Amino acid sequence: SAVISQKPSRDICQRGTSLTIQCQVDSQVTMMFWYRQQPGQSLTLIATANQGSEATYESGFVIDKFPISRPNLTFSTLTVSNMSPEDSSIYLCSAQTGTMNYGYTFGSGTRLTVV
Amino acid sequence: GENVEQHPSTLSVQEGDSAVIKCTYSDSASNYFPWYKQELGKRPQLIIDIRSNVGEKKDQRIAVTLNKTAKHFSLHITETQPEDSAVYFCAAPTSGGSYIPTFGRGTSLIVHP
Repeated sequence: SAVISQKPSRDICQRGTSLTIQCQVDSQVTMMFWYRQQPGQSLTLIATANQGSEATYESGFVIDKFPISRPNLTFSTLTVSNMSPEDSSIYLCSAQTGTMNYGYTFGSGTRLTVV
Repeated sequence: GENVEQHPSTLSVQEGDSAVIKCTYSDSASNYFPWYKQELGKRPQLIIDIRSNVGEKKDQRIAVTLNKTAKHFSLHITETQPEDSAVYFCAAPTSGGSYIPTFGRGTSLIVHP
């Protein structure tokens, strides 16, 4: 299956600033996904990113706070804007990379701490 | 949308014992059910999955069973080893026609040597 590289792996940011997280897939994928995972919790879908169209956001997440780019079929970015301590979490990108199944591969995650 | 319930939240077993984690789902149109293993500080990884046209699938020490009528599926790990200790997540499609997963809340499996 494909490999997803995600960076940065961790960052400590000041409140009010923004952080952009990047994910690179080593093969072309139609959809990429961004998740948030609070410590000890499950994965919550933020948005689905398709190449050539605007991202689709889940309830509770808005484009102004989490703008997403998807310039091609192998790359996507998620920006966490105007950060507050409540945004401290692990952010993971994902893509459907299987050919014979529909399993999803995840990036290694970005551990964000907002101070 | 899909509602996925996962139990138990924590499971503690002795090495060599079996472990079973169960998930229920709400959308009868769901047809694909993966299980992910997440070790501490690492990314979730797909370990096994099942489609709705089969009732059971095995891969060495792990197996998944599906009961479509009751809308539940289970992960079975036999002869557990300390390296099986991790958080396990089940998932079901967000909607019947989609393969975007909705994840269960996770089960923390602890295997004592």
